[in-house]
Amino acid sequence: EPEVTQTPSHQVTQMGQEVILRCVPISNHLYFYWYRQILGQKVEFLVSFYNNEISEKSEIFDDQFSVERPDGSNFTLKIRSTKLEDSAMYFCASKGAYEQYFGPGTRLTVT
Amino acid sequence: GIQVEQSPPDLILQEGANSTLRCNFSDSVNNLQWFHQNPWGQLINLFYIPSGTKQNGRLSATTVATERYSLLYISSSQTTDSGVYFCAVGERGGGSQGNLIFGKGTKLSVKP
Repeated sequence: EPEVTQTPSHQVTQMGQEVILRCVPISNHLYFYWYRQILGQKVEFLVSFYNNEISEKSEIFDDQFSVERPDGSNFTLKIRSTKLEDSAMYFCASKGAYEQYFGPGTRLTVT
Repeated sequence: GIQVEQSPPDLILQEGANSTLRCNFSDSVNNLQWFHQNPWGQLINLFYIPSGTKQNGRLSATTVATERYSLLYISSSQTTDSGVYFCAVGERGGGSQGNLIFGKGTKLSVKP
C-alpha cells in the first residue's frame, strides 16, 4: 500500500542552525501539507502546497519557514534559523481526491 | 476559524469494554477524518467520514453533519487500541485548500 515517507525520523540541531525536513508524498497525490505537533499538544497546520506553489499557510508559518518541491517526488520543509520553540514532531501529509495521509513524522529537537 | 472539541479528554477502559468518543465542530465541513496516534507518534487513518456511517472491524464512526458532530465507536477494546484519537475537520468553502483542523484528542488507555 502506498505511503508517505519522511526523513530523518529524528533530527537534533542547535539553535540558529538551518534544518531541512524531507518528505516523499504518495505518488499520484496532488496536494501536500506540513503540520507540527508540540509534545503533548494537538496537531497544527503549517502550510499547504498545490501546483508548485503555496496555497495556504497558518500564522505559525512565518518567514523562517519555506517549502519546496525540488523534483517530482520530494517535498521539503526548511527552517532557516531554528529556535527552541521549533522543537516538535513535524508531519508531512498528501491528499488525492479525498482524505489526507500522514507520514510517520520527523522529531525535531532544538538545543 | 472553525473550532473542534473532543470528549472525553481521557478515557480508561478494561480490555473488552466498549467506548464512544465524540467530536463537535462549530461550522460546516467538507472533510472529517479520525486518526489514531500510536505510542510511537504515528497518525494512523481510521475513517474519512464527512457524513454518514462507516464500519471497519471493531471500529465504526458516524457523522451527523447537520448537527455538527461525529462519533467514533470502539467495541471489544484491546490493549493495542491505546493511544490518542484525533478528530480533524476541513472547512467548507472560504478558499480552503483542505488543511485539517485538529481537536485536542481523546487519550485512551486500555488495561489488560
